[in-house]
This record gives sequence, C-alpha cells and structure tokens, in this order.
Amino acid sequence: AQTVTQSQPEMSVQEAETVTLSCTYDTSESDYYLFWYKQPPSRQMILVIRQEAYKQQNATENRFSVNFQKAAKSFSLKISDSQLGDAAMYFCASTFTGANSKLTFGKGITLSVRP
Amino acid sequence: KAGVTQTPRYLIKTRGQQVTLSCSPISGHRSVSWYQQTPGQGLQFLFEYFSETQRNKGNFPGRFSGRQFSNSRSEMNVSTLELGDSALYLCASSMGQGAIYGYTFGSGTRLTVV
Repeated sequence: AQTVTQSQPEMSVQEAETVTLSCTYDTSESDYYLFWYKQPPSRQMILVIRQEAYKQQNATENRFSVNFQKAAKSFSLKISDSQLGDAAMYFCASTFTGANSKLTFGKGITLSVRP
Repeated sequence: KAGVTQTPRYLIKTRGQQVTLSCSPISGHRSVSWYQQTPGQGLQFLFEYFSETQRNKGNFPGRFSGRQFSNSRSEMNVSTLELGDSALYLCASSMGQGAIYGYTFGSGTRLTVV
C-alpha cells in the first residue's frame, strides 16, 4: 500500500517570492511515480509535475521544480517567482507501476499568494 | 483539442434516489478513471475503465458502478443515494491504462444529496 502525507494544510507566499510545499510518502514498491497536481477554484485538477522514482534527476517545469529525496521518501515542490494565478490547492500523489496503477493522494495544501 | 468533459456540473438529489454522471475523455484517450473528493476523506479512487472493461476498482460499496462505451465515454452510477455520497466526482482520462503517465482531469460533478 502507498501513503502520501502533506502535513501543512495552508501556506502563503508573497508575489514574486519562492515557496516550497512539502510532501512525504511511503511505499513498498521499488518502482513508482510521484506527481504534484494543482486544483484552482475551477475544480479542474491540473498536472504540475511528474517524477519517475528511478530517475535521480529532479523534474522541472518552468517555474516549478521538485526536490526528490528517495531515501528520505520526500518529494517537495518549489514554486519560483510566485504569481497570483498559482493560488490553488496543491496535491501530492503517488502511484506504482503496472496496469492497475491508480493515484494515491495526500490531503492537499492550500496556497495563497499575496499581491 | 477539447479537454475532459463532465456533465452535469452540479446535481442535487434526494436520499434513496439514483444518479448517473457522464464523462467524455480527450479524443484518443482510452482510459477513464473516476475519483471521489470530499473534505473528510480527500481524493479516493473509485474505478478505471479501459477498452470498455473495468480494470481496477477502489474500496467503495456495490452501489457505485460504471461503464464505458465504445467511443470511450464513461458513465458512473450511484444507486440508493446516501447523505455521505455528497462529493465532487472527478473523471480523468489517459492514453494508456493506469496512472503512471498522469491524468487529464475534468472539472467534476458536484453532487449534493439532501
């Protein structure tokens, strides 16, 4: 079984600043994938970034990057140059490989951006 | 290209009734998965359909069922509604089976049971 823990329910950042959202996970699988999803008030979940566990290099997507610490089972998301449009709920999620894979989500963190 | 379309956007039903939710995936996507989102339980996996067959099922009672049509469109049905079924139901599509490539989600159907 997989578990994903997001211990911070809320965070706030000043526009143009950098913020890091924390996530820890637990899995017995040797091969798995980790994700960050963003859910704005429109409710549509949007894939922010995806990390393959067997790749040591941290994934990056424009202003979004992750710090993947496999031994510590930590997967944090860094948002650089925060923008007002980054305000949303962010979910960390994991899945194992295989045809029956499904996402296991954390509880989410609400990020607000101060102008 | 068009995204994942879920209808209706909002729904209010009475306890004991049944409801059907619809999801049209991105063109070319053959897998449709359903998730339930509630404030208390968070996001929980309901089931996945691929090529018209249920491939995976979450830990929900048999009142929750679904199907997928030959055009990959999917419907989810909940019978004998309970107050606890009030939730946002999210549909997600992907090219292949499973979640490893990430999903494209719809905007969800907000179901309220009164």
